[in-house]
Amino acid sequence: QVQLAQSGAEVKEPGASVKVSCKASGYSFTSFNMHWVRQAPGQGLEWMGIISPSGGATTYAQKFQGRLIITTDTSTSTMYMELSSLRPEDTAVYYCAKDGDRGNFDYWGQGTLVTVSS
Amino acid sequence: DIVLTQSPGTLSLSPGERATLSCRASQSVSNNYLAWYQQKPGQAPRLLIYTASSRAAGIPDRFSGSGSGTDFTLTISRLEPEDFAVYYCQQHVTSFSFGQGTKLEIK
Repeated sequence: QVQLAQSGAEVKEPGASVKVSCKASGYSFTSFNMHWVRQAPGQGLEWMGIISPSGGATTYAQKFQGRLIITTDTSTSTMYMELSSLRPEDTAVYYCAKDGDRGNFDYWGQGTLVTVSS
Repeated sequence: DIVLTQSPGTLSLSPGERATLSCRASQSVSNNYLAWYQQKPGQAPRLLIYTASSRAAGIPDRFSGSGSGTDFTLTISRLEPEDFAVYYCQQHVTSFSFGQGTKLEIK
């Protein structure tokens, strides 16, 4: 069965960077694109970016251009999300999600809470 | 970018009733890549419907999706207690975006 296991909660100071991991299992990792989606406390879902694990090509939402880097390690079927220049409004639960090949997200990780506070 | 607007913001119904949730796009979702998700507190979203009307694996048939172009609907035919949650629509034309959500609460 498809599983996406994310790394644990993080607390960071403003201006720092955070790197969150997402380990995939139960399917061919290089056959499907992967996404990051975040959700601020009490708010809706916000798409951040997509990566093709097979070639590493990425597309980021304009809002995160210059601050977001998404990478993969195909040897371990793991995707990473690094967000830099953190500010308090980046406090959110960050989810990884597998692309369902019809423009949707068919499997999700459990979420990683990132808190940005001084 | 396509903006999705969901209505109503909150829907108060009783178990056994029918729920109709709306999602309107600012431009045509011409490829019908419109999906619906359910999210319960403290949980990740769960895919319900994709390509506007196809049910995801394991989703009960009381959930159905319809629509095309700019107007889409999620219908829950007879509400079960476990259906009370927040529902999001999501599109993928050139990029990806979500609606702001509809909270379905027990009346």
